[in-house]
Amino acid sequence: DAGVIQSPRHEVTEMGQEVTLRCKPISGHDYLFWYRQTMMRGLELLIYFNNNVPIDDSGMPEDRFSAKMPNASFSTLKIQPSEPRDSAVYFCASSPGTLNQPQHFGDGTRLSIL
Amino acid sequence: EDQVTQSPEALRLQEGESSSLNCSYTVSGLRGLFWYRQDPGKGPEFLFTLYSAGEEKEKERLKATLTKKESFLHITAPKPEDSATYLCAVQAAPQNNDMRFGAGTRLTVKP
Repeated sequence: DAGVIQSPRHEVTEMGQEVTLRCKPISGHDYLFWYRQTMMRGLELLIYFNNNVPIDDSGMPEDRFSAKMPNASFSTLKIQPSEPRDSAVYFCASSPGTLNQPQHFGDGTRLSIL
Repeated sequence: EDQVTQSPEALRLQEGESSSLNCSYTVSGLRGLFWYRQDPGKGPEFLFTLYSAGEEKEKERLKATLTKKESFLHITAPKPEDSATYLCAVQAAPQNNDMRFGAGTRLTVKP
């Protein structure tokens, strides 16, 4: 079975540019999560969706970040405008609809903002 | 506020030298504690879920245990391929479906 698929795997762009990260969750999973991982702060939850609806976006650092889930098989995380401090690895994860289930992660997008 | 603390930050073992990693937590209403393994350049890979104190789970050389305040990941006779960062995470009421992660323990097993 295919796992969580993220694209691109690497992104290098200049400060001020718009960045769009993409995620395809595991088929049949009702929850989708976006995380950011840095050496300083570890894994931080940014936002999560249930059945395509955003449930908690309290981890989104500021208005430059936005996330959408137009359907059950696709989500995007957008940063506009990007800043050097946004450089990190961004992970998408999904989990089934029942409570207390583990999340399954993609291999992440390594983002570098110059 | 929910907190998850892992120790040690880094651990170096010789092949065959058994040891334990610690994950201590302070949450109200634990719903589940999860262990993940993360290899460089990869996403976290799920290992175990523990739901209640006294529960134990095993997989090959790994065994996870849970008390009311902490969890241990015991590694018996480790091999170099066990080298990775091990992360623990908790789910707590009322936010049952999001997880708070610890900073991880970076394990290196030398042949």
